[in-house]
Amino acid sequence: QTVVTQEPSFSVSPGGTVTLTCGLNSDSVSTNYHPSWYQQTPGQAPRTLIYNTNVRSSGVPDRFSGSILGDKAALTITGARADDESDYYCALYMGGDIWLFGTGTKVTVL
Amino acid sequence: QVQLVETGGGVVQPGGSLRLSCAGSGFTFSRYGIHWVRQAAGKGLEWLSFIRYDGNDVYAVSVRGRFSVSRDNSENTVSLQMNNLRAEDTAVYYCGKDDAYHMDVWGKGTTVTVSS
Repeated sequence: QTVVTQEPSFSVSPGGTVTLTCGLNSDSVSTNYHPSWYQQTPGQAPRTLIYNTNVRSSGVPDRFSGSILGDKAALTITGARADDESDYYCALYMGGDIWLFGTGTKVTVL
Repeated sequence: QVQLVETGGGVVQPGGSLRLSCAGSGFTFSRYGIHWVRQAAGKGLEWLSFIRYDGNDVYAVSVRGRFSVSRDNSENTVSLQMNNLRAEDTAVYYCGKDDAYHMDVWGKGTTVTVSS
């Protein structure tokens, strides 16, 4: 069974930098998986941050950036703000019109 | 503006059926695929299904054979027919517009509760 893994939680200080990762138990994540990233606060729908590895969605500040780090996709938040405190999910395109979401990372800013 | 609105959620008994709808506006609906994603309380996002612009559909293993998706481009809607519902199908269901291998626009979701 293919699983997309993310760190369960991260804590970052205001103004600090945090990098979240998105890995596969069965393969290295590459741009071929078209990784995308979503932010979600409790009770709200997800918000699209990054797609196709490193393209920011419209209106997303440049504090958010995406990349491939080693064998994983990565989301870096630079200059963290209190309102960045959210759950973050990656999604990978597995081919054949099938997608998988990661397990999600809860980011705390304090 | 580009918008998706889900409707049709509610309470249904185990083994029952429910049909959700996703209405799109502000874009050329017939040109885009639509995803269905759900989230159980306190859990993560789970991708369920994708229907391409041409009507071809794909499902996650967890719902294959029980859920089916269809679209009516004349009404700018996609429907998710859910049969043989189980307690573990209880969740908020979101539809999302596909663009370049990701969901670029999301609806606010509709809640499905499977309970006797």
